[in-house]
Amino acid sequence: DAGITQSPRHKVTETGTPVTLRCHQTENHRYMYWYRQDPGHGLRLIHYSYGVKDTDKGEVSDGYSVSRSKTEDFLLTLESATSSQTSVYFCAISEGVGTGSYEQYFGPGTRLTVT
Amino acid sequence: GDSVTQMEGPVTLSEEAFLTINCTYTATGYPSLFWYVQYPGEGLQLLLKATKADDKGSNKGFEATYRKETTSFHLEKGSVQVSDSAVYFCASGEGFKTIFGAGTRLFVKA
Repeated sequence: DAGITQSPRHKVTETGTPVTLRCHQTENHRYMYWYRQDPGHGLRLIHYSYGVKDTDKGEVSDGYSVSRSKTEDFLLTLESATSSQTSVYFCAISEGVGTGSYEQYFGPGTRLTVT
Repeated sequence: GDSVTQMEGPVTLSEEAFLTINCTYTATGYPSLFWYVQYPGEGLQLLLKATKADDKGSNKGFEATYRKETTSFHLEKGSVQVSDSAVYFCASGEGFKTIFGAGTRLFVKA
């Protein structure tokens, strides 16, 4: 199994508070991604990173920011949590460089509840 | 834009039945195609992949063939087990960007 951990695994927070989720990988993969998974919507890409300090927006980036200061860590911040951000958040990694193969490997997920 | 469409679930089968989950894609280029599986409470896991037309991906008794002429990548298994109960996602990827289908939930009854 790819070495990907997410923390925390579960979090309950109040509306209006900032929240940071962490993704840590031990695979030295170049690309990292944050998705949210909601019933009826499948997986939706929030932000992704293609290298240290190189990030870009996905399809549902409003209200979220990310940072990647080291290859192994990718942080997702909800600047001011809202109830619509209650979801399960997944981090994923992929390599591609030198392999031409970009399959993604997923972390175990973080269940976030905003009350 | 590019998209992936897979059959809606849930799909309910008896143990040892034949499984097909349909998947079609639209793409402007030549994507790689994937099937991922998600067990309850876990993240997605890569099940199989195919990187070019007519390639067959296979793993754990599951198979899918990259059909460029029909833009399809249907997942099949000859004899399902209770342990195959999960959500299955079809995906299309060009470079590092991947588009996922909505997922199909499979229930297998003993």
